[in-house]
Formats: sequence, C-alpha cells, structure tokens
Amino acid sequence: DGGITQSPKYLFRKEGQNVTLSCEQNLNHDAMYWYRQDPGQGLRLIYYSQIVNDFQKGDIAEGYSVSREKKESFPLTVTSAQKNPTAFYLCASSIPGSYYGYTFGSGTRLTVV
Amino acid sequence: DQQVKQNSPSLSVQEGRISILNCDYTNSMFDYFLWYKKYPAEGPTFLISISSIKDKNEDGRFTVFLNKSAKHLSLHIVPSQPGDSAVYFCALGSARQLTFGSGTQLTVLP
Repeated sequence: DGGITQSPKYLFRKEGQNVTLSCEQNLNHDAMYWYRQDPGQGLRLIYYSQIVNDFQKGDIAEGYSVSREKKESFPLTVTSAQKNPTAFYLCASSIPGSYYGYTFGSGTRLTVV
Repeated sequence: DQQVKQNSPSLSVQEGRISILNCDYTNSMFDYFLWYKKYPAEGPTFLISISSIKDKNEDGRFTVFLNKSAKHLSLHIVPSQPGDSAVYFCALGSARQLTFGSGTQLTVLP
C-alpha cells in the first residue's frame, strides 16, 4: 500500500535539545511538505520541497531545519532555537500542482518537557 | 494577511440535518479548491474538490459549491451523521501549492 509514514507518533524532548521527526513516502511524489498544527489553529507551513536537494522556507521556518537527500524522505529537525516547539506536526506529499491535493501522514505529537 | 478564512471555528448540527461549512478567500489566483477532513491525532484526508470552471460538485452526501464572484466556497453535508464529527479544512490551490483555512470543528449530535 502506498502512503506516508511519520515516526514516532509521540515524542518527548527536553528543553535545549534538538529532535528529528521522520517522514517517508512511497507514493513517488516529487513534492513534500511539513506543517504544524496548534490547538484551535489551522495548518501552518514550515518547509516544503518540490524536488530532491531543494527546499524552501514556509511561513514559520524559524527554529526548524530540513533536508531532502532522497525523494522518499523529508526529515524535519526541531532545534533548540524553536521557542515553542510543543505541537502536532504533519508531513504531506503531492504531485506538484496536482488537482487532488496532498496526501498526509498521521502526524507526530511533540511535547517539550 | 490571511488569504483563506474559515470564520466559524465550530458548528453543531443535529443528526439528519444539513451541515454547511464556509470558506472565504481573497486571492483571485486560486484555481482549485478542496475540502479535507481531520480526526484528532490523525492527518487530514481528502474529502472533495472542485475546479475553478465549475460551481458545484457532488459526491454522495457531500456537495461543494464555489462562488467565484463572491470568493466563497462552501461544503454541504446532508444528511449529517455522528461519524462526520471532525475538523474540516478548506484548501485552495495555486502556483503548485495549497493554502489551508484554519478549520471548522463540526459536531453532529445524535
């Protein structure tokens, strides 16, 4: 079955530590995205990548970093510079410009303790 | 400046009645329009879409309406069922990307 896998589902991090969220897709999609959802808020774009070895900042990129070394993988690192990292993180992929939009993973809930 | 607005953060509807979710936008460049449904602790899933050349698209209990002159998109669910209780996001596409609204929490009461 084709899809997007995000791991882990729940993640706890101590303040001051970096943490990396995994996102893998086997849909052969060129484009991948990272979103953040906070309670009562919509989806805010962190980073996106339209092709391997290229990525762009979204609306709230500060304190985050990404890499896109393989088509299938788009890991997100939440650095210690991110002031309020506790949130639900969603990864998505798409055929660029696809009429049917994005396919999302099931998300990772990050909690800073 | 928000380009896509869902002004109702929540909506409660009785089972069997119609649910109407609304979405307003400001950018005339959007050329495709989608609705996603999201359950807690899960990723959003695609529900229904409409292209800019149409004003209505129907799929079972779900109908999406597009009024381009008013820059308004709506989703009608009829009859509403308790399993429809979820957060609904409108998503508007242009320049190879989607812009999401803030979501409306729909609660269907049995």
